[in-house]
Amino acid sequence: EPEVTQTPSHQVTQMGQEVILRCVPISNHLYFYWYRQILGQKVEFLVSFYNNEISEKSEIFDDQFSVERPDGSNFTLKIRSTKLEDSAMYFCASRDFGNQPQHFGDGTRLSIL
Amino acid sequence: AQRVTQPEKLLSVFKGAPVELKCNYSYSGSPELFWYVQYSRQRLQLLLRHISRESIKGFTADLNKGETSFHLKKPFAQEEDSAMYYCALSGYSGGGADGLTFGKGTHLIIQP
Repeated sequence: EPEVTQTPSHQVTQMGQEVILRCVPISNHLYFYWYRQILGQKVEFLVSFYNNEISEKSEIFDDQFSVERPDGSNFTLKIRSTKLEDSAMYFCASRDFGNQPQHFGDGTRLSIL
Repeated sequence: AQRVTQPEKLLSVFKGAPVELKCNYSYSGSPELFWYVQYSRQRLQLLLRHISRESIKGFTADLNKGETSFHLKKPFAQEEDSAMYYCALSGYSGGGADGLTFGKGTHLIIQP
């Protein structure tokens, strides 16, 4: 069964540095998402992406965050200047057209020092 | 604003006993409700969605619009059901890319 893949599984970065989290959605899926889960808290929606543009974003997704689909397969989340509170598990998800459910990747654990 | 509430952080039951994981939601429109499961060290996986009205691994969930609930039930728990269970809501209703709103999750432990 096809899967959403995320790399790296764990990223450690110094505060203030830029970080890029990578995702390969399921082939021919059209909608892409990023979520985050701070340790001990709920999974929170960050952003959705369709047709090469952001469809929806939460208030968490401020100017420090950006997303990109640089080619036909990757979907990236960039945090420009990381803060300690960005430490979390980041999940990528994708889904097909129509009323289809989202499929999640394994997540990337981001640790900001 | 949409909100999902899972009142139990932890639920422990014995094998063979019935299980009910509670989920209540708040949404002004017509939501779509999901249950996702996360087994130890694995990814979030879709377990159920209310529009499918099917039973997966013996679990069922019925959307009760009057009580704004979508409780997950299983008549006889099995040890392999031990996992984190998340209730989620989408405002999607036929089009568009809509993010999911998750509850905090319930850790289900099935004791032998």
